[in-house]
Amino acid sequence: GQSLEQPSEVTAVEGAIVQINCTYQTSGFYGLSWYQQHDGGAPTFLSYNALDGLEETGRFSSFLSRSDSYGYLLLQELQMKDSASYFCAVRRDDKIIFGKGTRLHILP
Amino acid sequence: DAGVIQSPRHEVTEMGQEVTLRCKPISGHNSLFWYRQTMMRGLELLIYFNNNVPIDDSGMPEDRFSAKMPNASFSTLKIQPSEPRDSAVYFCASSFGQNGGNTIYFGEGSWLTVV
Repeated sequence: GQSLEQPSEVTAVEGAIVQINCTYQTSGFYGLSWYQQHDGGAPTFLSYNALDGLEETGRFSSFLSRSDSYGYLLLQELQMKDSASYFCAVRRDDKIIFGKGTRLHILP
Repeated sequence: DAGVIQSPRHEVTEMGQEVTLRCKPISGHNSLFWYRQTMMRGLELLIYFNNNVPIDDSGMPEDRFSAKMPNASFSTLKIQPSEPRDSAVYFCASSFGQNGGNTIYFGEGSWLTVV
């Protein structure tokens, strides 16, 4: 089976750095992805980690430790437009399964 | 480039009525997914197709739900009869690559309200 755990909400200040954690339990693990979803919108792809380590894409970075079944999304230089929900997801065989999402609140 | 196209965007229907949601995946993508999103349950995978063939429908809640993919450019999700607890946003998504790829692209969703 598969399950993903991530915090339901995180609050941070504009300009700061925030880390959103994700732990997973899944068989046949192929990689960990992150998606962003603004209110009323569709989830959009942010990053994918197949191997251990850090992947950086602009202000966003994603980390994976397969031995710990753990990953995180790091958002730097937070902007108000980053207020959204963030989902970690695992690929198992052909299926992509999502966590419940973390709502990121950004304070001015 | 056209993304995943879903219709209708919004639908309000009465309990007991049939609902049909439609999806056109991105051209060339070989996997198609139907997800349902609610506050309580998050994003649930209902069913996915690979090369137009249903691979796993274990997420389909019950027999009232059915999905088809008659060709590579069209899929439907049908609910018959609909119930108020089916109210949710239904997303269609597609991807390309071996084993479904690592990135899936979502449509804008169909917002369903059953009263």
